[in-house]
Amino acid sequence: EAGVTQSPTHLIKTRGQQATLRCSPISGHTSVYWYQQALGLGLQFLLWYDEGEERNRGNFPPRFSGRQFPNYSSELNVNALELEDSALYLCASQNRGDYEQYFGPGTRLTVT
Amino acid sequence: GEDVEQSLFLSVREGDSSVINCTYTDSSSTYLYWYKQEPGAGLQLLTYIFSNMDMKQDQRLTVLLNKKDKHLSLRIADTQTGDSAIYFCAELDMRFGAGTRLTVKP
Repeated sequence: EAGVTQSPTHLIKTRGQQATLRCSPISGHTSVYWYQQALGLGLQFLLWYDEGEERNRGNFPPRFSGRQFPNYSSELNVNALELEDSALYLCASQNRGDYEQYFGPGTRLTVT
Repeated sequence: GEDVEQSLFLSVREGDSSVINCTYTDSSSTYLYWYKQEPGAGLQLLTYIFSNMDMKQDQRLTVLLNKKDKHLSLRIADTQTGDSAIYFCAELDMRFGAGTRLTVKP
């Protein structure tokens, strides 16, 4: 069974640009979670999508947004990039009724 | 900052036991988790414990839960160099600690 995949592996952007990160959940999983792992700040919850709807979001500004497609894959968009957005962005998928989240390898975003 | 607190670093010798501690805040959290993150990899669920349990053992891993103090610990027996990683505790609503970097010295 294929795991959670994320693309791209690395992304380099300049301040003010937009970044788009993608995530494909495990087949059959309907929930996708996005996390930011910034150096020294641990793992911060960003967004939760389930069945195509945004169910919850963490304490991040509106320039962090995303969506979930009918095939349950998801996109995270970060607008007006700032230097402090440089981080590893992790996606996790979850099956309905399950408590375990399965994480992807992450996308490392560098903002210069 | 995080609501879930962990010490950032732990260093042990191979063969010793490692104990990673975590303090959480949500007393209603029905599940508490331990995740492991190795370099270049995503997080991997190691184990979890229901809030109505005090202890859970799984091979070399022992999880202790003190609900009164909202304290969770992960004990790794006979720690190996392959256990070197960052360990995160998390509450049910996916609030994570900052992670404890475990270094195992040969």
